[in-house]
Amino acid sequence: QVQLVESGGGVVQPGRSLRLSCAASGFTFSSYGMHWVRQAPDKGLEWVAVTWNDGSKEYYAHSVKGRFTISRDNSKNTMYLQMNSLRAEDTALYYCVRHSGSFDNWGQGTLVTVSS
Amino acid sequence: QPVLTQSSSASASLGSSVKLTCTLSSGHSNYIIGWHQQQPGKAPRYLMKLEGSGSYNKGTGVPDRFSGSSSGADRYLTISNVQSEDEADYYCETWDSNTQNVVFGGGTKLTVL
Repeated sequence: QVQLVESGGGVVQPGRSLRLSCAASGFTFSSYGMHWVRQAPDKGLEWVAVTWNDGSKEYYAHSVKGRFTISRDNSKNTMYLQMNSLRAEDTALYYCVRHSGSFDNWGQGTLVTVSS
Repeated sequence: QPVLTQSSSASASLGSSVKLTCTLSSGHSNYIIGWHQQQPGKAPRYLMKLEGSGSYNKGTGVPDRFSGSSSGADRYLTISNVQSEDEADYYCETWDSNTQNVVFGGGTKLTVL
């Protein structure tokens, strides 16, 4: 079955960087667009970024544009999120999500805490 | 880009039915949306994709009690025979092909009485 496993979260100081990974299995990874969605503590869901199935295009939410970079390695069935210049407001649970007409499969999330 | 509006809260008695609404902003009434359920302390779960025609496709394992419908700019999620495990936050989302961005509604917290 479809599995999406995020990793790489942790506690980081403001201004520093962190890279998240999402390992996919159970489906043909290279056939699907993939997204990052985050959820701040006790808040709603916020879309972060998308990468096209072949990695040819990527789009970002205004709140992270210029600081975050989404990428993927289809040979490793893995998606990444490079997060630079982190801010306190980036503190959230980050979910890896597969897109097939809608967000049809979600990972369990990895927690990022930005704090001094 | 579209805005999705959801009521912040709703309630339903055990065994009853409840209809949650997600309203698309003006000019976006034909957009397809997705409905997602987030039980307390868990990751979101995909429920269904819902078109403006009212046609919907549910995710794997989603109980028959969950159904979708549409009217104009409104997209509905109906839960019949509400169970205690349906107590959760429900989010709608849509993809805007003009901006290539995804938009989420604010979510509705469903309480089962």
